[in-house]
Amino acid sequence: DAGITQSPRHKVTETGTPVTLRCHQTENHRYMYWYRQDPGHGLRLIHYSYGVKDTDKGEVSDGYSVSRSKTEDFLLTLESATSSQTSVYFCAISSGQSSYNEQFFGPGTRLTVL
Amino acid sequence: AQSVAQPEDQVNVAEGNPLTVKCTYSVSGNPYLFWYVQYPNRGLQFLLKYITGDNLVKGSYGFEAEFNKSQTSFHLKKPSALVSDSALYFCAVISGNTGKLIFGQGTTLQVKP
Repeated sequence: DAGITQSPRHKVTETGTPVTLRCHQTENHRYMYWYRQDPGHGLRLIHYSYGVKDTDKGEVSDGYSVSRSKTEDFLLTLESATSSQTSVYFCAISSGQSSYNEQFFGPGTRLTVL
Repeated sequence: AQSVAQPEDQVNVAEGNPLTVKCTYSVSGNPYLFWYVQYPNRGLQFLLKYITGDNLVKGSYGFEAEFNKSQTSFHLKKPSALVSDSALYFCAVISGNTGKLIFGQGTTLQVKP
C-alpha cells in the first residue's frame, strides 16, 4: 500500500460541521491526491499537492480545502459539511517523483453527513 | 474534454473462460493508460499501465491490456478467469498535457464457478 494511511477510517457527522481527514505517507513522495468515490462516477479528483505548501484544485473542489505543511501529511477539510459530501474518500500518491506514474491508494475514509 | 468510458456496468463470465473489460478514452496529447482493481471495502490496487512501446502490456494476477491508438481503446483481458477475479475494475488515463488522472465509472466483473 506504499505506506499510506488515512484517518479516521469512518466518520459520521452532522450538516454544517467542519471535518478534517488526514492522509499520511512514509516514503517521501512528492505528489499526493484526494479523491472521492461515488456510485456511477468512479473516482473524482478533489485537490492535489505537488510539494509542501503547493496545492491545486481538481474536478470537484467546491466545499473542500487542503493543506500540506509537511511532505508526509496531506489534510482535506470540509469547511461546512453537507449531505452531498457523504462519500468514500481516498488519498493517493504518485510513485516516484512524477505525476505521470501510477498512483497508489490508501484504504479510504467513509464519511457520512447527516 | 478529456474522458474515459467503460461501456459495461457489469461483465459476467464463467470461471476458466477468457474475460474482457472494455475501456475507451478521449484525451489531448499522448495518453498514459492504467487499470486498477477494487475489492469490496478496500482501496484501489494498481494492475498495469501503458506509457509507450509494445501495445500489449502485462500486469499483475495474469491480466493484460491492449492499447489500440486508432480505436482509442485500452481493453483489459485475461485468458482464464478465476472466481477470485470478481471485483470492480477501473480504467484511468493521464493526459500528457495535464498530469491529472481521470477515471472511468468502473465495471463490476462477476466470475461464476
